[in-house]
Formats: sequence, C-alpha cells, structure tokens
Amino acid sequence: GENVEQHPSTLSVQEGDSAVIKCTYSDSASNYFPWYKQELGKGPQLIIDIRSNVGEKKDQRIAVTLNKTAKHFSLHITETQPEDSAVYFCAASHLGAQKLVFGQGTRLTINP
Amino acid sequence: ETGVTQSPTHLIKTRGQQVTLRCSSQSGHNTVSWYQQALGQGPQFIFQYYREEENGRGNFPPRFSGLQFPNYSSELNVNALELDDSALYLCASSLGGGQRSPLHFGNGTRLTVT
Repeated sequence: GENVEQHPSTLSVQEGDSAVIKCTYSDSASNYFPWYKQELGKGPQLIIDIRSNVGEKKDQRIAVTLNKTAKHFSLHITETQPEDSAVYFCAASHLGAQKLVFGQGTRLTINP
Repeated sequence: ETGVTQSPTHLIKTRGQQVTLRCSSQSGHNTVSWYQQALGQGPQFIFQYYREEENGRGNFPPRFSGLQFPNYSSELNVNALELDDSALYLCASSLGGGQRSPLHFGNGTRLTVT
C-alpha cells in the first residue's frame, strides 16, 4: 500500500523567511496530493492541493511542486508570518481511492 | 455554508466500554470519512461512507463500526474500548465518494480511555 514520508518533523524559521516541507510517496498510482494545516485544538484544514497532471501550483504565499518521476512533492511558504505556525501534513491518494495516506507531520514555528 | 461539526468535543471512557461519536457533514456533501489521529501522528483512515454504505475501510478491527444516515450525517461506534484507542477522532466530508472532491475536516472528538 501507499506510504508517505515527510521531512523535517520540526522546522523553525525567522518571520519573513521561506519554509519548505518535503514528502515522498511510494505508490506510483497516486495522483492527488493535498496539504493540510492543523492548529492546536482544531482539525486539519486544506491549504492547497495538486493533481499529477501539473507540476506546480501557487496560491498567494503558498506553492506546491510535484516531481512524479522521483515521487516527491514539496510545500513552499514564502514571507512567513507568525500565524503560519502550526503542524503541516502532506497526503497522497488517487482520485478513485477512499483514503488519504498522511505523512507524519511537520511542526512549523515562525520566530518573530 | 455550514462546516463539518462533531460531537462531543471531549470524552473519557473506561477500558471495555463502548462509545458513539457523531458527525454532521458540510452542507451539500454526501460522503463522510473517519480518521484516527494519535498524539503526534498523522491521521489514519478508518472508513468512508457514501450513500449510506461503507465505501472502503482501513486497517481497523471490526469493533470499529459506523453508520451514515439519509441526511448524510454519520456515527462512529467503537466497542470494547482499549487504552490504545485514546486519540483524536476526525470526521471529514466530501462530495461524490473517493477523493473526487477535497476532504473538509471537523475539529474532532478527543477520546481518552482509562
């Protein structure tokens, strides 16, 4: 079955700098890759997703890149702000599947 | 647009007891998925319900069961609770089964088994 590895487990950056979180997946059939942000006491919130027919997607300060050959995808956050501090999860699936397989999470801390 | 709501928010049970968790899906969504999130881990898929039937199941024993109602709300039942069942239980709704539309999660029910 699918396995998703996420790195790093913790990341601390200065406010205004960029943050990058990386994930690899094992199932070459996966074609849907969402990213979720989870704040303390809340459920995961979808922040961006990408399908395998595109290599990059951007939404304001957030971008995701996908390398299907290498089976890895990354989340890029630019101009980080204190409110970006949270736990971020990557996930992988294919569109006909019932489940998302999540990575282990990255705790991102933005230092003022 | 009403988001996904879950109840209760917190629950404490004793080993061997049974528990029922409830979820109301986002308006317009007909699919509900349940996930278990242990402390410090990513969510793990329990099962999905689409059109009131189980539509896929993860690696969880039969004592984890569920229901979906005609209004698309859902319940997760866990029998014979074990200490390892302590976790955050997340419900997510979507449209159309599978991953054809993004999952929208509720804030979860924190279950503690003592």
